[in-house]
Amino acid sequence: AQSVSQHNHHVILSEAASLELGCNYSYGGTVNLFWYVQYPGQHLQLLLKYFSGDPLVKGIKGFEAEFIKSKFSFNLRKPSVQWSDTAEYFCAVNTWGSQGNLIFGKGTKLSVKP
Amino acid sequence: DAGVTQSPTHLIKTRGQQVTLRCSPKSGHDTVSWYQQALGQGPQFIFQYYEEEERQRGNFPDRFSGHQFPNYSSELNVNALLLGDSALYLCASSLSGLSNTGELFFGEGSRLTVL
Repeated sequence: AQSVSQHNHHVILSEAASLELGCNYSYGGTVNLFWYVQYPGQHLQLLLKYFSGDPLVKGIKGFEAEFIKSKFSFNLRKPSVQWSDTAEYFCAVNTWGSQGNLIFGKGTKLSVKP
Repeated sequence: DAGVTQSPTHLIKTRGQQVTLRCSPKSGHDTVSWYQQALGQGPQFIFQYYEEEERQRGNFPDRFSGHQFPNYSSELNVNALLLGDSALYLCASSLSGLSNTGELFFGEGSRLTVL
């Protein structure tokens, strides 16, 4: 069965620190990859996505992610975090023919100290 | 542009009861998916509706059923509630078609507590 693993449950950083959140998935075929973010009290919203092409994708608010097919990974990065980045981050994957079924990781809670 | 709206936002039920949750998709979207998010977990796919039919289903028992109306809005019904059904239920909408790669737009969810 397909699955998504997020390595960190809770990450605490100071403002201006660099961020990398790990995500690995298990599926051997073609996948679409997503990072969603949930700010406190708000709904899940798309941060960035990878469908094909350049494996380095850029999203909103200065976030980027790199798809490394050989490692089945899609790690999220930001060079300098802000207090407003405090949120929960979810990595998700779906496959062609099953686009409606997004498989989510358990999420990583990011706390940024001002 | 209205996003995905869900109702009610919170509700409390007792074991054995039945519940109906409602969702209106984002304007222009024709496909609705439902997810269950237990505390401390990522969302889990329940099912997806398109053209008023269930297209895909996750690993949930038949107690979970749904419906989609001609205006694309949707309902999620859960019968014979168990304590373990306590969760945040998320509705997500999307566009169908060959160009659809699965990007979903989520509502804020309905938080169900079963006592």
